This record gives sequence, structure tokens and C-alpha cells, in this order.
Amino acid sequence: KAGVTQTPRYLIKTRGQQVTLSCSPISGHRSVSWYQQTPGQGLQFLFEYFSETQRNKGNFPGRFSGRQFSNSRSEMNVSTLELGDSALYLCASSREGLAGLGQFFGPGTRLTVL
Amino acid sequence: AQTVTQSQPEMSVQEAETVTLSCTYDTSESNYYLFWYKQPPSRQMILVIRQEAYKQQNATENRFSVNFQKAAKSFSLKISDSQLGDTAMYFCAFMRFSGNTPLVFGKGTRLSVIA
Repeated sequence: KAGVTQTPRYLIKTRGQQVTLSCSPISGHRSVSWYQQTPGQGLQFLFEYFSETQRNKGNFPGRFSGRQFSNSRSEMNVSTLELGDSALYLCASSREGLAGLGQFFGPGTRLTVL
Repeated sequence: AQTVTQSQPEMSVQEAETVTLSCTYDTSESNYYLFWYKQPPSRQMILVIRQEAYKQQNATENRFSVNFQKAAKSFSLKISDSQLGDTAMYFCAFMRFSGNTPLVFGKGTRLSVIA
């Protein structure tokens, strides 16, 4: 079974631009979560989508948004990029009702904001 | 809010030796899940082992085992017969039992296995 895939793997943007990251979950997994990983703040939860609805949201500004499609694929968007948005963005999927089995992560998208 | 603390930012171990990584957490919940994730230098986060808080028996996965002390809110990871491929960042994570809730991670422990 294919794992979680994320595209692109690397992105370089400049301040003020916007960016869209994509995540395809493991087949059969309908819950998709996004995390931001930085050296200073560690791993922080952004949001979680299930059945095309945002179910949970972390403490990030409104510039960070996401959506989920009917095939469970998810995208996250960051508008008006700031230098501090440079990070590794990780997507994770899990099977509904089986949260105790854990979340399964993709390789991440490394975003650099210049 | 739940918090997870990993007090050892860096550790090293000789190949074939045993090492224990520490993790403590704070919660008022009685049922929850705990996980250890491994993130090698290639960055893919891998689930190593999981534990349900309502199970007293410590989880084991091959060379990896945990020491779960619910009263002390402690969840340490023991790696036996350490291998070079175990070199990675290790993250302890907490998840509430009720519904699909986010993982709360510790800051991580960087483990280096030395030949």
C-alpha cells in the first residue's frame, strides 16, 4: 500500500507570495492532518480535515488555510508569506475510528521564504 | 492543555548497546494514546511504537519497547541492540482518546548510534 505523498518536496518563495502544498493520504485514510516543523518551535499542529470538513484547528493565523477533496486529498495554502513561515510542512493521515493506531506521515515539503 | 517533555535533547550510544529515551507528559485525561516516532535525517517520520493508556502491559516492537508508568506520567523508549540505522530524532507524542484529536509532540531527542 502506498504511503502518504506530498508535493512538492521543496519550495522557495519570497515574502508576500502565496504557496499551495498538496498531500495524498494512504488509501482508505480519510483524516488528514497538517503539522509545521521548525527548529525553534518543534512540531505544531495546523489543522485536520475529515470528509472535506475542517474538524480541528491549531493556533495559527488566518493566512494558513486548507481544504480537502472528495478523494481525501488535501491542500494547504499560506498567503502573504513571511520569513517565519520557513519550515518543514508535514502531512499525516489516519483511519477514522482507529486513531489509536497512530498517524502516518509523508516526507514533508520544505518551504524556504526569502 | 496537554504537554509532552523530552528532557534529553541529545544522546549517543554505541552500536549493539541499549539506550533509553525519556518522555513525560501532563494531562488530566484518564484515557489516551502515546506514541514514539522516529525521524531519520531523510525526514520521513516513522511510527515506532504505540501504547494505549488503559493497557497496563508495556508495548514491544522487536528491538523497541516502552516503560509506561501511568501514575508518574512517564513513557520511556528502550532501544536494544542499537543499530546505525537507529540514528534519528525521536519524538514522543500524546493523543487524547476521544475522537480524532491532534498529536502533541515533545521537542525530540537526537540519538546518534556510534560504530
